Amino acid sequence: GAGVSQSPRYKVAKRGQDVALRCDPISGHVSLFWYQQALGQGPEFLTYFQNEAQLDKSGLPSDRFFAERPEGSVSTLKIQRTQQEDSAVYLCASSLGFTAGGAETQYFGPGTRLLVL
Amino acid sequence: KQEVTQIPAALSVPEGENLVLNCSFTDSAIYNLQWFRQDPGKGLTSLLLIQSSQREQTSGRLNASLDKSSGRSTLYIAASQPGDSATYLCAGSSGTYKYIFGTGTRLKVLA
Repeated sequence: GAGVSQSPRYKVAKRGQDVALRCDPISGHVSLFWYQQALGQGPEFLTYFQNEAQLDKSGLPSDRFFAERPEGSVSTLKIQRTQQEDSAVYLCASSLGFTAGGAETQYFGPGTRLLVL
Repeated sequence: KQEVTQIPAALSVPEGENLVLNCSFTDSAIYNLQWFRQDPGKGLTSLLLIQSSQREQTSGRLNASLDKSSGRSTLYIAASQPGDSATYLCAGSSGTYKYIFGTGTRLKVLA
């Protein structure tokens, strides 16, 4: 596709519900990232995939957060038993993944705005 | 823990002015640095990437520089236009894929 797409764009969940957020990266991009952006803040790293391998999940706030990319393309971020503090914009980004040392442009999707009531 | 400060937090200027946005890292060991713009309700758009062997990058009216000794970066916007109105974010990495973001500078250019 032309860019990174995410769905849904908006999600309202009741506290305790499970949610699943989808990311479609740019075709052929090896690297995929998830970020969480709270209101008025910069994005914070959650997790990183290289193809289907989740190489870093150090930014996931708790074990309620789970991400997968089973076929190395589409990724899903799942949040179980949502809490109000999970309300944020969840951004997905992808990059080519061929340059060592992180020196690659990351292309971001429009984000999913999650509101937990 | 790496922290990133962006100054000013907000800026409102008349059209045509030249602007300087600042970004500083508590740990000066920045390997790569990116500047992004974010429009309301949208994702981030990469503007400039300064790689480890570089000190500055230019694209059109934008110029970004990185002083690795001090951990400071500057984004220069020449001849600002109303279409430049957005939030500008800097992000640095210490040699890996993991970027640490600042909180951004909200820019408004008045026609």
